[in-house]
Amino acid sequence: DAGITQSPRHKVTETGTPVTLRCHQTENHRYMYWYRQDPGHGLRLIHYSYGVKDTDKGEVSDGYSVSRSKTEDFLLTLESATSSQTSVYFCAISAGQRTIYEQYFGPGTRLTVT
Amino acid sequence: QQQVKQSPQSLIVQKGGIPIINCAYENTAFDYFPWYQQFPGKGPALLIAIRPDVSEKKEGRFTISFNKSAKQFSLHIMDSQPGDSATYFCAASGGTGNQFYFGTGTSLTVIP
Repeated sequence: DAGITQSPRHKVTETGTPVTLRCHQTENHRYMYWYRQDPGHGLRLIHYSYGVKDTDKGEVSDGYSVSRSKTEDFLLTLESATSSQTSVYFCAISAGQRTIYEQYFGPGTRLTVT
Repeated sequence: QQQVKQSPQSLIVQKGGIPIINCAYENTAFDYFPWYQQFPGKGPALLIAIRPDVSEKKEGRFTISFNKSAKQFSLHIMDSQPGDSATYFCAASGGTGNQFYFGTGTSLTVIP
């Protein structure tokens, strides 16, 4: 599992509330990613980070923000959760000597927005 | 716009058969093409990957075929087993960005 944990693993929240998901890695990898997985869409990149305090947007970043204050932690925040953000969220790290190479995923967080 | 197009959406084969999953891409800057396997309730797991300087790569029963001129690559699973039943995703990355682009997935069922 490349030393990746995600918390919480399951969450139910109400529309309009803020939600923060945490990704933690133990192997000091530079690159970390947040994806969402929805039926018929595969995995879509939300945000990624290439170092402490260095982040960039992916293809579905609207409504999400991220922070990385330590190498090991990458936080995803839904500023005001909506039902369209009901999804399974995966964190990933990129492990390899090149800029991007083998990517390994965490176990996922299932988020339900009611 | 889907950067990587994957087909078929689902596939059913008999044990011992050779399922083939296809992917196509447009961005010629892509230079890394991995395949992931995902079981229900789990995160995707890297299965095998190829770079465009080779046309084929084998790891165990899994083979990637790569056609650079057609901008297509495919996954073949030899002697498929019921334990191979999972969802498979292709992906591509490279160029100036640091992003991976995924196909929409193929649900494979191997019947005993």
